Amino acid sequence: GQQVMQIPQYQHVQEGEDFTTYCNSSTTLSNIQWYKQRPGGHPVFLIQLVKSGEVKKQKRLTFQFGEAKKNSSLHITATQTTDVGTYFCAGPATNAGGTSYGKLTFGQGTILTVHP
Amino acid sequence: EPEVTQTPSHQVTQMGQEVILRCVPISNHLYFYWYRQILGQKVEFLVSFYNNEISEKSEIFDDQFSVERPDGSNFTLKIRSTKLEDSAMYFCASSRLGTVNYGYTFGSGTRLTVV
Repeated sequence: GQQVMQIPQYQHVQEGEDFTTYCNSSTTLSNIQWYKQRPGGHPVFLIQLVKSGEVKKQKRLTFQFGEAKKNSSLHITATQTTDVGTYFCAGPATNAGGTSYGKLTFGQGTILTVHP
Repeated sequence: EPEVTQTPSHQVTQMGQEVILRCVPISNHLYFYWYRQILGQKVEFLVSFYNNEISEKSEIFDDQFSVERPDGSNFTLKIRSTKLEDSAMYFCASSRLGTVNYGYTFGSGTRLTVV
């Protein structure tokens, strides 16, 4: 079945350093979503990318969707302690008949720790 | 900002007992989901629900699991006979469209502990 992999699993940075997490799908995705989960919290939707090669920015966060629509990245510039959490990418799961509506396959997440 | 509400926040139950986890999705959302997350692991799909029926379910969602939307606002997940391995955080989510064009809104979760 479809696999969504993220690297690295953990990232420890000093406050002010940059951070990047990478997401790879075993299948082509119609779109990719990114979620943030604070420690002890629930996933919170950050953004969705749809177009091949798309780049979107939210303040210090930059999201990219690969040309082949199989990979994506999230880059945070000058991390702050408020960026702490687990960042998940997620893509629509596919089956033999095509894309399944609603079902998302999540990557295992990258746990970001920011040291002040 | 509209929220997905889940109750209870924490449920402890004995193995073999039935539990019902409750969710109130966002009112104008049409698609509802249950996901679970075992501690420290990734978020796993259980079931999606649209138009008062299950639209898709995972291998995890076996005969011990059921979902219901009894009154047009609540969305419940029932586990008939809990097992130790059912211990996890269960998240309810809803979205406006099943094509996930708008992303999911997740509830704050129910932590289920089976002892």
